[in-house]
Amino acid sequence: NAGVTQTPKFQVLKTGQSMTLQCAQDMNHNSMYWYRQDPGMGLRLIYYSASEGTTDKGEVPNGYNVSRLNKREFSLRLESAAPSQTSVYFCASTRGGDLNYGYTFGSGTRLTVV
Amino acid sequence: ELKVEQNPLFLSMQEGKNYTIYCNYSTTSDRLYWYRQDPGKSLESLFVLLSNGAVKQEGRLMASLDTKARLSTLHITAAVHDLSATYFCAVLPNTGNQFYFGTGTSLTVIP
Repeated sequence: NAGVTQTPKFQVLKTGQSMTLQCAQDMNHNSMYWYRQDPGMGLRLIYYSASEGTTDKGEVPNGYNVSRLNKREFSLRLESAAPSQTSVYFCASTRGGDLNYGYTFGSGTRLTVV
Repeated sequence: ELKVEQNPLFLSMQEGKNYTIYCNYSTTSDRLYWYRQDPGKSLESLFVLLSNGAVKQEGRLMASLDTKARLSTLHITAAVHDLSATYFCAVLPNTGNQFYFGTGTSLTVIP
């Protein structure tokens, strides 16, 4: 019963490098989300996918792109990493339409851009 | 701009004491969620509150929702060290499918 799996758990990038954060869920959830967590700022939504085939911008989408590859997978790409993107990134999923459950979160990716 | 404000941001309390964390939000919503995060870990769902006046309790934690005041509270009774963590509230507006998180309350329970 894996839930939401994120890879990698840790990553150090040089400014200007690119990378993709992977997220997969095995709960047959419709909606998936990418958040970043910074000290004193809570969690801020980067992008979300309400259902397979759709993606929408959240509060802080600049510098990121996403792909909802299929119902299970939702990836986040940094095309040209900047130090301001140093953060902890969380992927989350929900059933969508079922309010009795909140998010199920992945374990997070700690990204440092130097 | 939708705001979700928690206070206090930091809370240090002695074991055995009671305290309340507050979550105020600026949108129309009767859907409020509480999460716990241990240091270096992910977020774990604690409570789901889906109507005005909803109250949920689990052990030493009790959460309530007042949708008219746009306020949720998380009450801690007789705190123990194991409750040390950061607590987040999250609001799901009545229109829309995005959750909005508060900044979190870092709780430290001192023996």
